[in-house]
Amino acid sequence: DAGITQSPRHKVTETGTPVTLRCHQTENHRYMYWYRQDPGHGLRLIHYSYGVKDTDKGEVSDGYSVSRSKTEDFLLTLESATSSQTSVYFCAISEEWGANYGYTFGSGTRLTVV
Amino acid sequence: DQQVKQNSPSLSVQEGRISILNCDYTNSMFDYFLWYKKYPAEGPTFLISISSIKDKNEDGRFTVFLNKSAKHLSLHIVPSQPGDSAVYFCAASVRGGSEKLVFGKGTKLTVNP
Repeated sequence: DAGITQSPRHKVTETGTPVTLRCHQTENHRYMYWYRQDPGHGLRLIHYSYGVKDTDKGEVSDGYSVSRSKTEDFLLTLESATSSQTSVYFCAISEEWGANYGYTFGSGTRLTVV
Repeated sequence: DQQVKQNSPSLSVQEGRISILNCDYTNSMFDYFLWYKKYPAEGPTFLISISSIKDKNEDGRFTVFLNKSAKHLSLHIVPSQPGDSAVYFCAASVRGGSEKLVFGKGTKLTVNP
């Protein structure tokens, strides 16, 4: 399997607290993505990165920020967690830009905001 | 506006029979389509893809059909096995440019022994 790990795997946090999720890859892939999966919504793109310090917004970016200071790490931060951000978060990587090169997903982080 | 639609949230079939999962899209610019499979507590994994220059792509028990005029694609699994029970996501993209993968909501397939 591709070397992509997400941490933590599970987290429960309180409303209003900051939360950072980590995605770490050992494939040296240029492109990294954060998705959230919710019942009835499928997978929705939050943010993505096309290189170190190069990031952009996806379709559901409000309330989230990202950082990529190294090729291997892509961090997703919820500045002030809300109950609507309870979800399963998936990180994905791809070697080249474009769907035909395929996305490899991590195992996910289940976040519960209480 | 949902660009990739999987209108069946769930599908149940008997082992050995054919499973047909459907996907519709609205963006005529999409020219590359993929299916991902997802087991509980795991990330999605790539299953099969098709380019818009083809109308069929086959990989073992899995075949994807594309009908561009109807903006419709389907995934056929023959024969279905209990291990195929998972959520299947249809995804679409425009090659090149700045487009990313757009996913449908998923269809949960249950294959009964």
